[in-house]
Amino acid sequence: QKEVEQNSGPLSVPEGAIASLNCTYSDRGSQSFFWYRQYSGKSPELIMSIYSNGDKEDGRFTAQLNKASQYVSLLIRDSQPSDSATYLCAVNRWGAQKLVFGQGTRLTINP
Amino acid sequence: DAGITQSPRHKVTETGTPVTLRCHQTENHRYMYWYRQDPGHGLRLIHYSYGVKDTDKGEVSDGYSVSRSKTEDFLLTLESATSSQTSVYFCAISVGGGADEQFFGPGTRLTVL
Repeated sequence: QKEVEQNSGPLSVPEGAIASLNCTYSDRGSQSFFWYRQYSGKSPELIMSIYSNGDKEDGRFTAQLNKASQYVSLLIRDSQPSDSATYLCAVNRWGAQKLVFGQGTRLTINP
Repeated sequence: DAGITQSPRHKVTETGTPVTLRCHQTENHRYMYWYRQDPGHGLRLIHYSYGVKDTDKGEVSDGYSVSRSKTEDFLLTLESATSSQTSVYFCAISVGGGADEQFFGPGTRLTVL
């Protein structure tokens, strides 16, 4: 079992709809959870951080964390073509000063 | 961009040659990281540093070494490059503790022929 798992996609969503991206992790001691967006040929860009169970909203983005079920998700409301990118989930490993990244989900927003 | 630069941005080299990639930061962050990114493998940690002269291995450290003689610079060296090390290399810094938010440099595309 991979430490951090994401569906690689591609995930195709019509413009204006909600895109839902999911990530599961194996280390029950993980405390910090992050979502990165990566455009083709560019470096990953941090878009959301979440540390507590529940929802965290930032503009059109909502991160959801459920530690009991060991998953973290990212919702993108009113999806725009500019949201088309690969989204990476990252989780800290308990007691370690580093993050583990999932393989990423490629999201395409269709006009 | 968190003040991170990487050099060179692109490099083509031949098998067996040594290669050094440089990561430079302007904000004195303690933690710095080197990752490689390959299709189907996502981002994988090569080495990281938690202070000057303090480094540790990541999950794919074989064939790589690092050095950090100044807070602002973290060097990644391929002692004898192989074709399997063709990849995109990203440097990152952590603004809090090591398990906190990380911010990435622009990347170096390395091709080993």
